[in-house]
Amino acid sequence: GAGVSQSPSNKVTEKGKDVELRCDPISGHTALYWYRQRLGQGLEFLIYFQGNSAPDKSGLPSDRFSAERTGESVSTLTIQRTQQEDSAVYLCASSPHMGEADVLTFGAGSRLTVL
Amino acid sequence: GQQLNQSPQSMFIQEGEDVSMNCTSSSIFNTWLWYKQDPGEGPVLLIALYKAGELTSNGRLTAQFGITRKDSFLNISASIPSDVGIYFCAGRGRTGGGADGLTFGKGTHLIIQP
Repeated sequence: GAGVSQSPSNKVTEKGKDVELRCDPISGHTALYWYRQRLGQGLEFLIYFQGNSAPDKSGLPSDRFSAERTGESVSTLTIQRTQQEDSAVYLCASSPHMGEADVLTFGAGSRLTVL
Repeated sequence: GQQLNQSPQSMFIQEGEDVSMNCTSSSIFNTWLWYKQDPGEGPVLLIALYKAGELTSNGRLTAQFGITRKDSFLNISASIPSDVGIYFCAGRGRTGGGADGLTFGKGTHLIIQP
């Protein structure tokens, strides 16, 4: 597609429920990133996928968080047993993986509210 | 991991004023990126810098890659209301590290008073 598409744009859930957030990257972009942004805060790196390599999961805050990506297409971020502290905007970005010259294109984000 | 210090954290300025913000790091970076985030949107790339000493303009925006490779600044001239938002710097050191070596600053909140 023309840009990075994320869904849902807004999600309200009850504490303890599982949620899935979806990211559709720009066609041809081999790299995909997930970030978390709490209200008024900066970007917190969560996970990075590059092609068929093993993902870099070093930013995932707990084992309740997981993400999958099939090939170079859609990615899903799953949060199990959600907590109120998980409330944030989850941003996805993709890039063509051009080494040091690489730049990220972000989606509009999925705003998660855990009641 | 690599740390980026972005300042100021927030700025309250009058319309028409010039704006300056910067990022510094204890590590050397090979790429500096500047993004702007409007409310309810994802960050959008403003300027990319790839060479120490490089000075690049994009309309009223000017950014420089510090000669030491440990800092970068962004200037906005003659600010207008639509400049309001959060500005993020991002630096990339060696690729292949966490987040492929990319680190983001905590952002500068720009607020413009008419």
